[in-house]
Amino acid sequence: SQELEQSPQSLIVQEGKNLTINCTSSKTLYGLYWYKQKYGEGLIFLMMLQKGGEEKSHEKITAKLDEKKQQSSLHITASQPSHAGIYLCGADYNNAGNMLTFGGGTRLMVKP
Amino acid sequence: DGGITQSPKYLFRKEGQNVTLSCEQNLNHDAMYWYRQDPGQGLRLIYYSQIVNDFQKGDIAEGYSVSREKKESFPLTVTSAQKNPTAFYLCASSIDSPTRTMNTEAFFGQGTRLTVV
Repeated sequence: SQELEQSPQSLIVQEGKNLTINCTSSKTLYGLYWYKQKYGEGLIFLMMLQKGGEEKSHEKITAKLDEKKQQSSLHITASQPSHAGIYLCGADYNNAGNMLTFGGGTRLMVKP
Repeated sequence: DGGITQSPKYLFRKEGQNVTLSCEQNLNHDAMYWYRQDPGQGLRLIYYSQIVNDFQKGDIAEGYSVSREKKESFPLTVTSAQKNPTAFYLCASSIDSPTRTMNTEAFFGQGTRLTVV
Protein backbone atom coordinates (compact mmCIF):
# COMPACT_ATOMS: atom_id res chain seq x y z
CA SER A 1 0.00 0.00 0.00
CA GLN A 2 1.30 3.44 -0.85
CA GLU A 3 -0.43 4.79 2.26
CA LEU A 4 1.87 2.85 4.51
CA GLU A 5 5.54 2.55 3.72
CA GLN A 6 7.95 0.28 5.53
CA SER A 7 11.69 0.59 5.46
CA PRO A 8 13.97 -1.04 4.87
CA GLN A 9 12.48 -3.72 2.65
CA SER A 10 15.10 -6.17 3.81
CA LEU A 11 17.77 -6.19 6.47
CA ILE A 12 20.66 -8.48 7.31
CA VAL A 13 22.29 -8.03 10.70
CA GLN A 14 24.89 -9.86 12.71
CA GLU A 15 23.62 -11.64 15.79
CA GLY A 16 23.83 -9.36 18.80
CA LYS A 17 23.41 -6.13 16.85
CA ASN A 18 20.55 -3.70 17.30
CA LEU A 19 18.23 -2.78 14.47
CA THR A 20 15.28 -0.53 13.69
CA ILE A 21 12.41 -0.94 11.25
CA ASN A 22 10.26 2.04 10.31
CA CYS A 23 6.66 2.35 9.23
CA THR A 24 5.46 5.70 7.87
CA SER A 25 1.88 6.61 7.15
CA SER A 26 0.62 9.23 4.73
CA LYS A 27 -2.68 9.46 6.63
CA THR A 28 -3.73 9.93 10.22
CA LEU A 29 -3.45 6.77 12.26
CA TYR A 30 -5.96 5.61 14.84
CA GLY A 31 -3.79 2.66 15.71
CA LEU A 32 -0.69 0.90 14.48
CA TYR A 33 -0.13 -2.84 14.77
CA TRP A 34 3.10 -4.76 14.45
CA TYR A 35 3.10 -8.39 13.35
CA LYS A 36 5.84 -10.92 12.70
CA GLN A 37 5.60 -13.61 10.06
CA LYS A 38 7.75 -16.62 9.46
CA TYR A 39 7.97 -17.20 5.71
CA GLY A 40 4.85 -18.96 4.43
CA GLU A 41 3.10 -18.92 7.80
CA GLY A 42 0.54 -16.84 9.60
CA LEU A 43 1.11 -13.59 11.41
CA ILE A 44 1.94 -13.36 15.09
CA PHE A 45 0.78 -10.23 16.88
CA LEU A 46 3.59 -8.28 18.53
CA MET A 47 2.19 -4.96 19.69
CA MET A 48 -0.49 -2.37 19.13
CA LEU A 49 0.11 1.34 19.55
CA GLN A 50 -2.71 3.77 20.08
CA LYS A 51 -3.36 7.12 18.41
CA GLY A 52 -1.73 9.84 20.46
CA GLY A 53 1.64 8.23 20.51
CA GLU A 54 3.00 5.64 22.88
CA GLU A 55 5.84 3.23 23.42
CA LYS A 56 5.64 -0.44 24.30
CA SER A 57 8.22 -3.10 24.98
CA HIS A 58 8.17 -6.85 25.03
CA GLU A 59 11.34 -8.75 25.75
CA LYS A 60 13.93 -7.25 23.40
CA ILE A 61 11.48 -5.53 21.09
CA THR A 62 10.37 -1.93 21.55
CA ALA A 63 7.85 -0.12 19.38
CA LYS A 64 7.06 3.58 19.35
CA LEU A 65 4.41 5.66 17.64
CA ASP A 66 5.21 9.28 16.85
CA GLU A 67 1.87 10.96 16.27
CA LYS A 68 3.40 14.11 14.89
CA LYS A 69 5.29 12.25 12.19
CA GLN A 70 2.63 9.51 11.78
CA GLN A 71 5.49 7.11 12.02
CA SER A 72 6.20 4.01 14.04
CA SER A 73 9.53 2.36 14.69
CA LEU A 74 10.24 -1.16 15.83
CA HIS A 75 13.57 -1.60 17.56
CA ILE A 76 15.20 -4.93 18.36
CA THR A 77 18.02 -4.98 20.86
CA ALA A 78 20.76 -7.61 20.70
CA SER A 79 19.18 -9.49 17.81
CA GLN A 80 19.05 -13.28 17.78
CA PRO A 81 18.39 -15.80 14.98
CA SER A 82 14.91 -16.28 16.45
CA HIS A 83 14.09 -12.69 15.48
CA ALA A 84 14.41 -13.53 11.80
CA GLY A 85 11.26 -13.26 9.74
CA ILE A 86 9.06 -10.70 8.04
CA TYR A 87 7.84 -7.80 10.11
CA LEU A 88 4.61 -6.16 8.99
CA CYS A 89 3.02 -2.99 10.25
CA GLY A 90 -0.74 -2.58 9.93
CA ALA A 91 -2.60 0.71 10.15
CA ASP A 92 -6.08 1.32 11.44
CA TYR A 93 -7.24 4.38 9.51
CA ASN A 94 -10.91 4.23 10.35
CA ASN A 95 -10.93 3.50 14.06
CA ALA A 96 -12.86 0.50 12.85
CA GLY A 97 -11.22 -2.33 14.66
CA ASN A 98 -9.13 -4.66 12.62
CA MET A 99 -9.64 -3.78 8.99
CA LEU A 100 -6.02 -2.91 8.65
CA THR A 101 -3.98 -1.55 5.81
CA PHE A 102 -0.63 -3.27 5.79
CA GLY A 103 2.81 -2.12 4.77
CA GLY A 104 4.94 -4.11 2.37
CA GLY A 105 6.91 -5.81 5.12
CA THR A 106 10.55 -5.90 6.17
CA ARG A 107 12.43 -9.15 5.72
CA LEU A 108 14.93 -9.57 8.55
CA MET A 109 17.78 -12.05 8.50
CA VAL A 110 20.07 -12.49 11.49
CA LYS A 111 23.46 -14.02 10.84
CA PRO A 112 24.81 -16.18 13.66
CA ASP B 1 -6.79 -25.20 22.23
CA GLY B 2 -8.48 -22.22 20.67
CA GLY B 3 -7.26 -20.97 17.37
CA ILE B 4 -7.88 -20.28 13.73
CA THR B 5 -7.24 -22.99 11.17
CA GLN B 6 -6.81 -22.67 7.44
CA SER B 7 -6.79 -25.55 5.02
CA PRO B 8 -5.27 -26.72 2.87
CA LYS B 9 -1.77 -25.35 3.38
CA TYR B 10 -1.00 -25.73 -0.33
CA LEU B 11 -3.49 -25.70 -3.17
CA PHE B 12 -3.05 -26.05 -6.89
CA ARG B 13 -5.67 -24.91 -9.34
CA LYS B 14 -6.02 -25.31 -13.04
CA GLU B 15 -6.96 -22.25 -15.01
CA GLY B 16 -10.71 -21.82 -15.26
CA GLN B 17 -11.47 -23.70 -12.06
CA ASN B 18 -13.02 -22.40 -8.90
CA VAL B 19 -11.38 -23.37 -5.62
CA THR B 20 -12.47 -22.88 -2.03
CA LEU B 21 -10.16 -22.10 0.86
CA SER B 22 -11.31 -23.08 4.31
CA CYS B 23 -11.05 -20.94 7.44
CA GLU B 24 -12.36 -22.14 10.80
CA GLN B 25 -12.03 -20.53 14.23
CA ASN B 26 -13.06 -21.72 17.67
CA LEU B 27 -12.29 -18.44 19.43
CA ASN B 28 -15.93 -17.30 19.42
CA HIS B 29 -14.88 -14.26 17.43
CA ASP B 30 -17.51 -12.18 15.71
CA ALA B 31 -15.41 -10.75 12.92
CA MET B 32 -13.48 -12.63 10.27
CA TYR B 33 -11.31 -11.44 7.40
CA TRP B 34 -9.56 -12.66 4.29
CA TYR B 35 -6.31 -11.11 3.13
CA ARG B 36 -4.14 -11.76 0.14
CA GLN B 37 -0.38 -11.43 0.31
CA ASP B 38 1.87 -10.88 -2.68
CA PRO B 39 5.62 -10.37 -2.44
CA GLY B 40 6.55 -6.81 -1.56
CA GLN B 41 2.94 -5.67 -1.36
CA GLY B 42 1.98 -6.50 2.18
CA LEU B 43 -1.53 -7.72 2.87
CA ARG B 44 -4.64 -6.58 1.05
CA LEU B 45 -8.16 -7.06 2.34
CA ILE B 46 -10.44 -9.20 0.15
CA TYR B 47 -13.60 -9.62 2.23
CA TYR B 48 -14.64 -9.26 5.83
CA SER B 49 -17.60 -10.34 7.90
CA GLN B 50 -18.82 -8.75 11.09
CA ILE B 51 -21.56 -11.22 11.86
CA VAL B 52 -23.13 -14.41 10.60
CA ASN B 53 -24.90 -14.12 7.24
CA ASP B 54 -23.32 -10.76 6.53
CA PHE B 55 -20.11 -9.83 4.74
CA GLN B 56 -18.60 -6.84 2.99
CA LYS B 57 -16.17 -6.34 0.14
CA GLY B 58 -12.68 -5.23 0.92
CA ASP B 59 -10.19 -3.53 -1.36
CA ILE B 60 -9.73 -6.36 -3.87
CA ALA B 61 -12.94 -8.40 -3.84
CA GLU B 62 -13.25 -8.88 -7.60
CA GLY B 63 -12.97 -12.54 -8.57
CA TYR B 64 -13.63 -13.78 -5.05
CA SER B 65 -16.71 -14.83 -3.11
CA VAL B 66 -17.36 -15.70 0.52
CA SER B 67 -20.09 -17.01 2.78
CA ARG B 68 -20.68 -16.80 6.52
CA GLU B 69 -23.32 -19.35 7.37
CA LYS B 70 -21.75 -20.18 10.72
CA LYS B 71 -19.88 -18.01 13.19
CA GLU B 72 -16.92 -20.38 13.13
CA SER B 73 -16.48 -20.60 9.39
CA PHE B 74 -15.63 -18.11 6.64
CA PRO B 75 -14.69 -19.94 3.42
CA LEU B 76 -13.23 -18.05 0.48
CA THR B 77 -13.87 -19.12 -3.10
CA VAL B 78 -11.40 -18.03 -5.73
CA THR B 79 -13.36 -17.99 -8.95
CA SER B 80 -12.20 -18.29 -12.52
CA ALA B 81 -12.83 -14.56 -12.82
CA GLN B 82 -9.80 -13.85 -10.66
CA LYS B 83 -7.12 -13.18 -13.26
CA ASN B 84 -4.06 -13.57 -11.06
CA PRO B 85 -4.97 -15.89 -8.20
CA THR B 86 -1.51 -17.20 -7.37
CA ALA B 87 -0.79 -15.78 -3.92
CA PHE B 88 -0.65 -16.50 -0.21
CA TYR B 89 -4.04 -16.17 1.45
CA LEU B 90 -4.45 -15.37 5.12
CA CYS B 91 -7.60 -15.58 7.18
CA ALA B 92 -7.99 -13.68 10.42
CA SER B 93 -10.53 -13.21 13.18
CA SER B 94 -11.02 -10.71 15.95
CA ILE B 95 -13.05 -10.54 19.10
CA ASP B 96 -14.91 -7.38 18.23
CA SER B 97 -16.78 -6.55 15.11
CA PRO B 98 -15.00 -3.84 13.10
CA THR B 99 -17.30 -1.03 14.12
CA ARG B 100 -16.32 -1.17 17.77
CA THR B 101 -14.11 1.65 18.93
CA MET B 102 -11.87 -0.51 21.06
CA ASN B 103 -8.98 -1.90 19.10
CA THR B 104 -7.93 -5.47 19.63
CA GLU B 105 -5.52 -7.55 17.68
CA ALA B 106 -6.55 -9.97 14.99
CA PHE B 107 -5.52 -13.61 15.15
CA PHE B 108 -4.26 -15.06 11.90
CA GLY B 109 -4.32 -18.54 10.45
CA GLN B 110 -1.23 -20.19 9.01
CA GLY B 111 -2.21 -19.34 5.46
CA THR B 112 -2.92 -21.16 2.22
CA ARG B 113 -0.58 -20.89 -0.72
CA LEU B 114 -2.56 -21.08 -3.94
CA THR B 115 -0.79 -21.76 -7.22
CA VAL B 116 -2.39 -21.79 -10.65
CA VAL B 117 -0.94 -24.47 -12.90
